[in-house]
Amino acid sequence: RKEVEQDPGPFNVPEGATVAFNCTYSNSASQSFFWYRQDCRKEPKLLMSVYSSGNEDGRFTAQLNRASQYISLLIRDSKLSDSATYLCVVISGKFYFGSGTKLNVKP
Amino acid sequence: NAGVTQTPKFRILKIGQSMTLQCAQDMNHNYMYWYRQDPGMGLKLIYYSVGAGITDKGEVPNGYNVSRSTTEDFPLRLELAAPSQTSVYFCASRTPRSTNTGELFFGEGSRLTVL
Repeated sequence: RKEVEQDPGPFNVPEGATVAFNCTYSNSASQSFFWYRQDCRKEPKLLMSVYSSGNEDGRFTAQLNRASQYISLLIRDSKLSDSATYLCVVISGKFYFGSGTKLNVKP
Repeated sequence: NAGVTQTPKFRILKIGQSMTLQCAQDMNHNYMYWYRQDPGMGLKLIYYSVGAGITDKGEVPNGYNVSRSTTEDFPLRLELAAPSQTSVYFCASRTPRSTNTGELFFGEGSRLTVL
């Protein structure tokens, strides 16, 4: 079983839409959780941390559900510039990357 | 602000050739990693190092070798290149605190094609 699983998408949404991505992880002892963003043909970059209490950064909200071993990322009022692949990352001693969910925001 | 520097950025190899992908970081990070990313796929860990003189295998080490003679440098060697090694290779580094901050510092990647 993979450490981290994500729906690969792609999610094709119009500008202004709200979109949510999910991620599940297998190790209940995992310590910390993050979302990364990867633009086409670029390196991944840290987007934000994920907490049980939630974490909001502008139009982005990340949430952790430890009981269900589930991480989510919500993007409100999508912009064209949000088009990218979003990777969830779970740390349990090592960094474990999901395979990424591709988002295409259309005009 | 150099961060993590990878060379070359692009390379085409013939089957059976060997080459070394270079990675250097100037942040005095102990932890360094090599990942490969195939088209449309996630990152797979090839090798990692927790400090100079210490290296260990990741998920997909076959066909690769690494060394870590200094804190700064972590080269990845491909022996007898095969088409299955066509991929984008990312080097990354971090501090021990990164397990709390989540920050891995990535290089810009090296695109390798084996024909």
